[in-house]
Amino acid sequence: DAKTTQPPSMDCAEGRAANLPCNHSTISGNEYVYWYRQIHSQGPQYIIHGLKNNETNEMASLIITEDRKSSTLILPHATLRDTAVYYCIVSPNGGSNYKLTFGKGTLLTVNP
Amino acid sequence: DAGVIQSPRHEVTEMGQEVTLRCKPISGHDYLFWYRQTMMRGLELLIYFNNNVPIDDSGMPEDRFSAKMPNASFSTLKIQPSEPRDSAVYFCASSSDTGSYEQYFGPGTRLTVT
Repeated sequence: DAKTTQPPSMDCAEGRAANLPCNHSTISGNEYVYWYRQIHSQGPQYIIHGLKNNETNEMASLIITEDRKSSTLILPHATLRDTAVYYCIVSPNGGSNYKLTFGKGTLLTVNP
Repeated sequence: DAGVIQSPRHEVTEMGQEVTLRCKPISGHDYLFWYRQTMMRGLELLIYFNNNVPIDDSGMPEDRFSAKMPNASFSTLKIQPSEPRDSAVYFCASSSDTGSYEQYFGPGTRLTVT
């Protein structure tokens, strides 16, 4: 599986956009970019995923560069409840090689 | 749906005892995953099943750990004998074989081995 690189921590002011970067320069053609987050003491929560096109859902937007070597997760209006560890993961989508390898992630702290 | 259900939520046991963790996946999901989370090692995949069949158990630490999925609605992770280094939070997750394959995680079981 391709590995990802994320900053260990970031801060964001409440109400502002949070932009979380991820580098995955060795991503393979069949691997998707997944984002999960883990709020303290809870199980990880799926946020969004994509292959090569930008994606948006009710939680966030995912911007993937054209060469697919990096991506950015955008929380458009961060709230205090968005304080969590955010994980960027690359994995095939389904099949016998489908598994998520969690790194250390980015601790996002949203400040009032 | 109630989501992924895990039991017990907390378990405290003595070294050498057998521990059984239980998981009920979301109805209709085809994949079931067991993870372990510690401060030192982060979140690690132990084993996963597809249609009740183990696909990859390369993350299982050693023979003291075993996992079963006798049917589509139930799985167990057993540690025998338990050791203090097994203390961790164990998560179960499930996902569907269609769509986005997003994994839904349970609340976890916090295991303490003294």
